[in-house]
Amino acid sequence: GQSLEQPSEVTAVEGAIVQINCTYQTSGFYGLSWYQQHDGGAPTFLSYNALDGLEETGRFSSFLSRSDSYGYLLLQELQMKDSASYFCAVYPTDKLIFGTGTRLQVFP
Amino acid sequence: DTAVSQTPKYLVTQMGNDKSIKCEQNLGHDTMYWYKQDSKKFLKIMFSYNNKELIINETVPNRFSPKSPDKAHLNLHINSLELGDSAVYFCASSQGTGWNTEAFFGQGTRLTVV
Repeated sequence: GQSLEQPSEVTAVEGAIVQINCTYQTSGFYGLSWYQQHDGGAPTFLSYNALDGLEETGRFSSFLSRSDSYGYLLLQELQMKDSASYFCAVYPTDKLIFGTGTRLQVFP
Repeated sequence: DTAVSQTPKYLVTQMGNDKSIKCEQNLGHDTMYWYKQDSKKFLKIMFSYNNKELIINETVPNRFSPKSPDKAHLNLHINSLELGDSAVYFCASSQGTGWNTEAFFGQGTRLTVV
């Protein structure tokens, strides 16, 4: 089976840096994706890691270690608008499986 | 122009009723999905269709019946609604079922069964 575990909640202040971890167990693995979902909104794609290492996209970076079955999303220079839920996801075969989700609250 | 659109956005209905949710995507994608998001925000896949063919059915009760008249549409019909069906249902689409697939989601349908 597949499982992706994330912390349920993370809090931080504006301007800070926060890391959201994801540990996974899957029968097949091609890469790790990250999605953002604001309250009342739809999940939207943020990033994808196929290979080990850090991928940077503006204030957001995502890291993958395949040997450790672990990845994280790093959010820098936090803004109030970053308050949302963040999901890691994998695509073992024919379907996108999501992690348990992490709710990020950014305080002024 | 909305990429993936679902209707209705809100649906309140009584137990035992039958209801449908419609989904359309204008991205030209081959694959469409239905996800259920419960009150704890868990996003669970229900069905996956590729070129109108069902490829994934995640042990969903057979009261739920998806229908894909063409690859741009994937509707979800639910019979004999139960209280536990209350959730937000998301339709999504992607280009193929490849390893770096990015899924695009509709705005969700919040279903409340009373």
